[in-house]
Amino acid sequence: AQSVTQLDSHVSVSEGTPVLLRCNYSSSYSPSLFWYVQHPNKGLQLLLKYTSAATLVKGINGFEAEFKKSETSFHLTKPSAHMSDAAEYFCVVSDAGGSYIPTFGRGTSLIVHP
Amino acid sequence: DAGVIQSPRHEVTEMGQEVTLRCKPISGHNSLFWYRQTMMRGLELLIYFNNNVPIDDSGMPEDRFSAKMPNASFSTLKIQPSEPRDSAVYFCASSLTGSSGELFFGEGSRLTVL
Repeated sequence: AQSVTQLDSHVSVSEGTPVLLRCNYSSSYSPSLFWYVQHPNKGLQLLLKYTSAATLVKGINGFEAEFKKSETSFHLTKPSAHMSDAAEYFCVVSDAGGSYIPTFGRGTSLIVHP
Repeated sequence: DAGVIQSPRHEVTEMGQEVTLRCKPISGHNSLFWYRQTMMRGLELLIYFNNNVPIDDSGMPEDRFSAKMPNASFSTLKIQPSEPRDSAVYFCASSLTGSSGELFFGEGSRLTVL
């Protein structure tokens, strides 16, 4: 069965410093992987997705993630945090074994200090 | 496209009352998901429809919850009778099967049961 683990419930950074949000997945098939962002009182919005093409995926707002099959990881990074990046981030896996029903991680809350 | 539309955005009701949440998916999408989000339990999948047919309702908490999708452009989630522990934000999301599973979320319906 597919599963995803977000290794940190909260990440705190200073504005202008790099962001790293960690995600490990489990899948017996070729998975599709996603990162979604949720700002307060809003729905979830897709940041980026990996679907078996290039392993380094670029998303919106300067975020990117690298698919590492050997490490079963799909960590989200950004070189320089902005105050507007403060939000909840969800890592998601989807594969044929799960009938392509997405499985969400518990979320990581990103806090950005001025 | 207007995106996924949910109504009402906010609902406050008293215990024992019936609650109906509504969702209009993106035109052309054939998969629809209902999620519940709480601080304690995170984001939970309640039910998944494909081509208007319920495929997986294993996440529906109990018989008080029911969901329907009478046509491709409308779905409802009903709680009868409501209880305080049902207080949460309920999200509807739609996708196109075979499109790598990207979900498009509505803004959510915040339910408070007193």
